[in-house]
Amino acid sequence: QVQLQESGPGLVKPSQTLSLTCTVSGGSISSGGYYWSWIRQHPGKGLEWIGYIYYSGSTYYNPSLKSRVTISVDTSKNQFSLKLSSVTAADTAVYYCARGSDSSGYSIDPWGQGTLVTVSS
Amino acid sequence: EIVLTQSPATLSLSPGERATLSCRASQSVSSYLAWYQQKPGQAPRLLIYDASNRATGIPARFSGSGSGTDFTLTISSLEPEDFAVYYCQQRSNWHFMYTFGQGTKLEIK
Repeated sequence: QVQLQESGPGLVKPSQTLSLTCTVSGGSISSGGYYWSWIRQHPGKGLEWIGYIYYSGSTYYNPSLKSRVTISVDTSKNQFSLKLSSVTAADTAVYYCARGSDSSGYSIDPWGQGTLVTVSS
Repeated sequence: EIVLTQSPATLSLSPGERATLSCRASQSVSSYLAWYQQKPGQAPRLLIYDASNRATGIPARFSGSGSGTDFTLTISSLEPEDFAVYYCQQRSNWHFMYTFGQGTKLEIK
């Protein structure tokens, strides 16, 4: 079964760029019909969709973050990545990578375990 | 942007009782609605997709219903492990955005 694992720095300084990578195992990131997604959760709060990259390479971002977000894919490594620029303390959150699917009503499964990123000097 | 509103914010029940959670969309999402369970320190877990289909391995006590703008997640008889936060989610076919409801916390009474 497909598993996802986030990796990247747990601490980022204000104004810098947050960079995370999600490694996909048990399946190909190039498989059709999937939305390779990033979702975050501020401490004690609900879930916020950041964006996704479709298997075709198309990207869609949350309008509230669009100017700062880039999601890309590296098929040779079976990974996809998130870059969030000009971070502030408000970007402190647990970041999840996950897979959305065409064939199950655009539901999201599986999810990575999540990684806490703290923005602080 | 489609907004999902969940109610109640908190639901206090006892094991063995029936839980009914609601999710209302600001415009029709057809049947493209999913439900997730999240326990502290864990990633969300998919329970229901396409409004009424249980995901793999989800117990039969969980069921989903609804279409259009009004959806319900029902847990027929609460087990101790069911006390958690539940989120609904949809993806718009027009704006290609995912949105989540704000969550319902199911707590032990």
